[in-house]
Amino acid sequence: KQEVTQIPAALSVPEGENLVLNCSFTDSAIYNLQWFRQDPGKGLTSLLLIQSSQREQTSGRLNASLDKSSGRSTLYIAASQPGDSATYLCAVVPYTGANSKLTFGKGITLSVRP
Amino acid sequence: NAGVMQNPRHLVRRRGQEARLRCSPMKGHSHVYWYRQLPEEGLKFMVYLQKENIIDESGMPKERFSAEFPKEGPSILRIQQVVRGDSAAYFCASSSQGNYGYTFGSGTRLTVV
Repeated sequence: KQEVTQIPAALSVPEGENLVLNCSFTDSAIYNLQWFRQDPGKGLTSLLLIQSSQREQTSGRLNASLDKSSGRSTLYIAASQPGDSATYLCAVVPYTGANSKLTFGKGITLSVRP
Repeated sequence: NAGVMQNPRHLVRRRGQEARLRCSPMKGHSHVYWYRQLPEEGLKFMVYLQKENIIDESGMPKERFSAEFPKEGPSILRIQQVVRGDSAAYFCASSSQGNYGYTFGSGTRLTVV
């Protein structure tokens, strides 16, 4: 059974700091991995999608990497801003099929202090 | 191109009533998924549907919960005889064939009083 872990559960950093959010998964047979952002009381916004054949994806100040063999992904946020404060979730799709269910981590709640 | 549309955004039901949650997938997406988010817990998969078919319902409680995705119209998640423990945020997501990522709706927040 796939398990996704995100540690720590919460993180507080000063504005401007570069930071890394970690995600680990127990079964390396994945189809893809997706990072989401969730603001309080809101839905999920997709940030980056990494296919199993890829090593990383970039969008603006965000960079996500994937190391399937070690069961790890990281989300790098450059020059953090107070507007980055949110919960960041990673989720994996198993290799059993392209359109399979996502298994989520519990998320990391990030607070960026002005 | 509207995203995934869920309604209502907020729903209050008394214990024993029925709750009906609706989800319209993104245009071009034929795969619909329902997830539940309980306070202090992560998102948990409930059910995966394609038009007129339930593909995977391994996350659905055995009683009181049902889902459908008819040929015409939105997907419906139905909860009969709601109890306080059903209070949660229910999210719908959709994807295209081949899965180039999931798009989530804004959720329906169900409160059972």
